[in-house]
Amino acid sequence: KNQVEQSPQSLIILEGKNCTLQCNYTVSPFSNLRWYKQDTGRGPVSLTIMTFSENTKSNGRYTATLDADTKQSSLHITASQLSDSASYICVVARDRLAFGKGNQVVVIP
Amino acid sequence: EPEVTQTPSHQVTQMGQEVILRCVPISNHLYFYWYRQILGQKVEFLVSFYNNEISEKSEIFDDQFSVERPDGSNFTLKIRSTKLEDSAMYFCASSELRYEAFFGQGTRLTVV
Repeated sequence: KNQVEQSPQSLIILEGKNCTLQCNYTVSPFSNLRWYKQDTGRGPVSLTIMTFSENTKSNGRYTATLDADTKQSSLHITASQLSDSASYICVVARDRLAFGKGNQVVVIP
Repeated sequence: EPEVTQTPSHQVTQMGQEVILRCVPISNHLYFYWYRQILGQKVEFLVSFYNNEISEKSEIFDDQFSVERPDGSNFTLKIRSTKLEDSAMYFCASSELRYEAFFGQGTRLTVV
């Protein structure tokens, strides 16, 4: 069973709109939880990193939240841009990094 | 800004051949990793390397695979006798601390 589940698998949003991506994990305890952005054919790039005790972390238009009680994290994208089209991967670090399958986001004009 | 660099960006090889994927980690980093991503699937851990030896490897990393740090800057992944199912993006990553990973841009390996 995958330790990190993400939803929705994919979504299409209009440029300028907001969206929220969900991550449910079973890894516990963990060192940190990260959200990566992966453009097609490129390596993942770290957006945010939160430790077990943090609830929210922002990086520009990206805001990640963490609820350690429910083992859920979300990534909110505000005022989406065409360049936000990518896969967003939730990664939980314990003994090793546990990757989700990613949320595929397509932003259309 | 320092980055992990990988070469080549794309490698095509015949089934059964050996390939070597090369990586130059960020210079002051101590932990090195190889990951694999089959098209349309999630990123999978292969191996981690610390203090000049393998610190952890996954079930994917069988005898077909080996890693080496031949000098102070390069980190290589060798795949002996490649199979069709080895076709994937291979990402090198490095980190200063254990629970981080800065990824390279990847090598797309196509086995034909």
